[in-house]
Amino acid sequence: NAGVTQTPKFQVLKTGQSMTLQCAQDMNHNSMYWYRQDPGMGLRLIYYSASEGTTDKGEVPNGYNVSRLNKREFSLRLESAAPSQTSVYFCASSEGLAGPTDTQYFGPGTRLTVL
Amino acid sequence: AQTVTQSQPEMSVQEAETVTLSCTYDTSESNYYLFWYKQPPSRQMILVIRQEAYKQQNATENRFSVNFQKAAKSFSLKISDSQLGDTAMYFCAFMKLALYNFNKFYFGSGTKLNVKP
Repeated sequence: NAGVTQTPKFQVLKTGQSMTLQCAQDMNHNSMYWYRQDPGMGLRLIYYSASEGTTDKGEVPNGYNVSRLNKREFSLRLESAAPSQTSVYFCASSEGLAGPTDTQYFGPGTRLTVL
Repeated sequence: AQTVTQSQPEMSVQEAETVTLSCTYDTSESNYYLFWYKQPPSRQMILVIRQEAYKQQNATENRFSVNFQKAAKSFSLKISDSQLGDTAMYFCAFMKLALYNFNKFYFGSGTKLNVKP
């Protein structure tokens, strides 16, 4: 049981390049999330997928797209990277139930630098 | 809107001593959940402790306990017998309980805890 895995762990891009961050979970969770973490700020939600087949914008969705490929996988794509997207990106998953047990489980993060 | 505030960007504590991390939140909701997450240098977020707002009893998990003051909207984390492995960034989080809908999480900006030998 690996939990939540993310690839790659590190990435350096030039402005204008595109890339996709991959995330997978093996806990049979319904909901998945993408956050970014910047110095001095808490985690900010980029996009989320409440259940397979659905995706919705979070707090900071501009410049990103997502795909919920299946129940296990949720990818984040940067179509044209900008220096403002330099950040650490976390994927998370949860059961997604409307109840008290909905705890989020996080991946190890991806450190992205855009030059 | 919900906001979570951690007013201590960084704290230090000697090994074996006790330290308290502060968290306040703002909400008009009556039914919600609060969490403390730990993020060690490995960057992976780890759940430390969870508190249901409808429960008056403070949650405890081994050396970790919370002081939940609902009226004051305060949720502090106490770490007893601090260990070197407790060195990490700690995030306070709020989850609004949404019946038949998606539960959103809101995170504070974090407190960096250094445990000194």
